Amino acid sequence: GEDVEQSLFLSVREGDSSVINCTYTDSSSTYLYWYKQEPGAGLQLLTYIFSNMDMKQDQRLTVLLNKKDKHLSLRIADTQTGDSAIYFCAGLVMDSNYQLIWGAGTKLIIKP
Amino acid sequence: NAGVTQTPKFRVLKTGQSMTLLCAQDMNHEYMYWYRQDPGMGLRLIHYSVGEGTTAKGEVPDGYNVSRLKKQNFLLGLESAAPSQTSVYFCASREPGQGTSGYTFGSGTRLTVV
Repeated sequence: GEDVEQSLFLSVREGDSSVINCTYTDSSSTYLYWYKQEPGAGLQLLTYIFSNMDMKQDQRLTVLLNKKDKHLSLRIADTQTGDSAIYFCAGLVMDSNYQLIWGAGTKLIIKP
Repeated sequence: NAGVTQTPKFRVLKTGQSMTLLCAQDMNHEYMYWYRQDPGMGLRLIHYSVGEGTTAKGEVPDGYNVSRLKKQNFLLGLESAAPSQTSVYFCASREPGQGTSGYTFGSGTRLTVV
């Protein structure tokens, strides 16, 4: 079945760009998502990319998809303290009754 | 808009006790899901429902039961709680075919079994 992997932690300085990476095994994912979870809160959809796209930009967020390498990344420009959270990537897999397959999440730590 | 509401937000149970977690959504979504979140493991699907009156097992269904008697509500039951069920539980809902909107999540229930 699908497997989604992420690094558990990323530390960046305030004002720098953050790049959170995700690799997946199942190329049948139709949509790939990035969710943000702030402490004590639920998961909030940040952005998504359709599987036939290479890139999507939304204000400070840039999503890159490399289908050949099965690699997804989320770039946050000008990282702020409010970006401190856990970021999850997830793929919507057609063969699994359209269920989401989740990575373990990357905790983004912002250094002053 | 309330979206997805989970009750309770926190609960402490003794081993062997039972309880029901309630998830309510006001978006008329067909699909509903129960996940558990444990450190370093991401989200794992417990059970899900693709419509009123239907339920199906997810990745980690053992020790849990669910019911979807009304479209807007999805209940998760623990018949005999075990310490291994200490976790944060999230409910989510979505409308089939709306891939761009992803899932809508509740704010979670933190359950501790002692």
